Amino acid sequence: GQSLEQPSEVTAVEGAIVQINCTYQTSGFYGLSWYQQHDGGAPTFLSYNALDGLEETGRFSSFLSRSDSYGYLLLQELQMKDSASYFCAVRNRSNYQLIWGAGTKLIIKP
Amino acid sequence: NAGVTQTPKFRVLKTGQSMTLLCAQDMNHEYMYWYRQDPGMGLRLIHYSVGEGTTAKGEVPDGYNVSRLKKQNFLLGLESAAPSQTSVYFCASSSNDNEQFFGPGTRLTVL
Repeated sequence: GQSLEQPSEVTAVEGAIVQINCTYQTSGFYGLSWYQQHDGGAPTFLSYNALDGLEETGRFSSFLSRSDSYGYLLLQELQMKDSASYFCAVRNRSNYQLIWGAGTKLIIKP
Repeated sequence: NAGVTQTPKFRVLKTGQSMTLLCAQDMNHEYMYWYRQDPGMGLRLIHYSVGEGTTAKGEVPDGYNVSRLKKQNFLLGLESAAPSQTSVYFCASSSNDNEQFFGPGTRLTVL
């Protein structure tokens, strides 16, 4: 089977840096994606790691290590608008389906 | 561009009733997906399509049917609604393996 594990909730302070981890168990996948979802809203795409290493997009960075079955999303200079749930997802190599983690709720305090 | 749209936005059904959720995209994407999201959980794939006229089962297909007669539309049908199908339903589309674009969601309650 395949599964992804993320912390259910993370709390940080405005202006700080926070890392959201994602560990996975899967027999084969194409890459690791991250999505953001505000309460009552739809998921929106943040980043995709096809290869090991760090991908940077503005204040957000994402990292993948296939040997460690591990990835993370790094958010810098946190703003109140970053309060949301963050989901990691992997695409199954055998059937192309996207498998999602349960999500991490990020709470930002002033 | 409207992106991905879903109708209706809200619906309340009685057990045993049927309904169809409509998803439309104007980005000429080949791939379309139907997910459900329950409180505190990630998205679970119900059915998906890799092109016009094709459909395939996802992780939780039981109790649902789909059709993709036109490239821009993907319909999700509930044949006989059950309370366990109370959820938020999201449609998504994509042109590649990386990024999916989501509709605003349909909030369905089955009494």
